Amino acid sequence: DVVMTQTPPSLSVAIGQSVSISCKSSQSLVASDKNTYLNWLLQSPGRSPKRLIYQVSKLDSGVPDRFSGSGSEKDFTLKISRVEAEDLGVYYCLQGTHLPFTFGSGTKLEIK
Amino acid sequence: EVQLVESGEGLVQPGSSMKLSCVASGFTFSNYGMNWIRQAPKKGLEWIALIYYDSSSKYYADSVKGRFTISRDNSKNTLYLEMNSLRSEDTAMYYCARSGGLFDYWGQGVMVTVSS
Repeated sequence: DVVMTQTPPSLSVAIGQSVSISCKSSQSLVASDKNTYLNWLLQSPGRSPKRLIYQVSKLDSGVPDRFSGSGSEKDFTLKISRVEAEDLGVYYCLQGTHLPFTFGSGTKLEIK
Repeated sequence: EVQLVESGEGLVQPGSSMKLSCVASGFTFSNYGMNWIRQAPKKGLEWIALIYYDSSSKYYADSVKGRFTISRDNSKNTLYLEMNSLRSEDTAMYYCARSGGLFDYWGQGVMVTVSS
C-alpha cells in the first residue's frame, strides 16, 4: 500500500499568515494515464470532508486562490496564503492513483 | 447541485449485519465510480471500498475484505454498503464519495456504532 506521510500534524497560525503542509508518498503517484491523482481535502469542525485541490494543483470551484497545491511524483505541498478564520479544520492529502487509496494522517490548523 | 445522502445509521451488536445506502442526485449517477470511506471517532480517514460506474469491478480495503460488500443500483441512483460480521473497530462515521480516485463530492456521513 502507498503510505502518505503528512506533516506537520498541527499548526497554529495568526490570521493573515501563510502556512504550508507537506505530503510525501512512498511511491510515485503518476498514473498510467500520466495524471497524478493527489488530492487535498479540508474537514471543517463537525463537517464532512470537502475537496479543495485535485491532480496536485487544480483548485475546485469556489475555493479561494489563497490555496495552492504543488509537487510531483512523491512530494507534494499545500500552501495557504493569508490564512482566514474559515480555514480552520483538518487538512488531509489523499492519493487516488493506486489501490487501496490512502490518506495522510491529517494536519490540524488552528487559528491563534 | 450534486448531492449524496447517506442513510442506515445505527447501533448494532458485534457479529451482526447492517446495510448503508447513499442516494445520489444532481448528476448522472451511472457515469461515475463511487467510494465508501470511514472515520473512526477522533481518528483520520480510511478508504474502504470502490465500485466502478457499471459495477464491473469492486475493490476493498484489507480491513473489510470478505465482510463488506459494495453494490449499486443505477436505476435508483443508489450506492450500498452491506456490512457483515461487524466488529467494535468498525465503529465509525461512514461517507460515500463520488468519482473513483477524484473524490470530488462527499455525503454528510452516517454513524455506525458496534457495541454490546
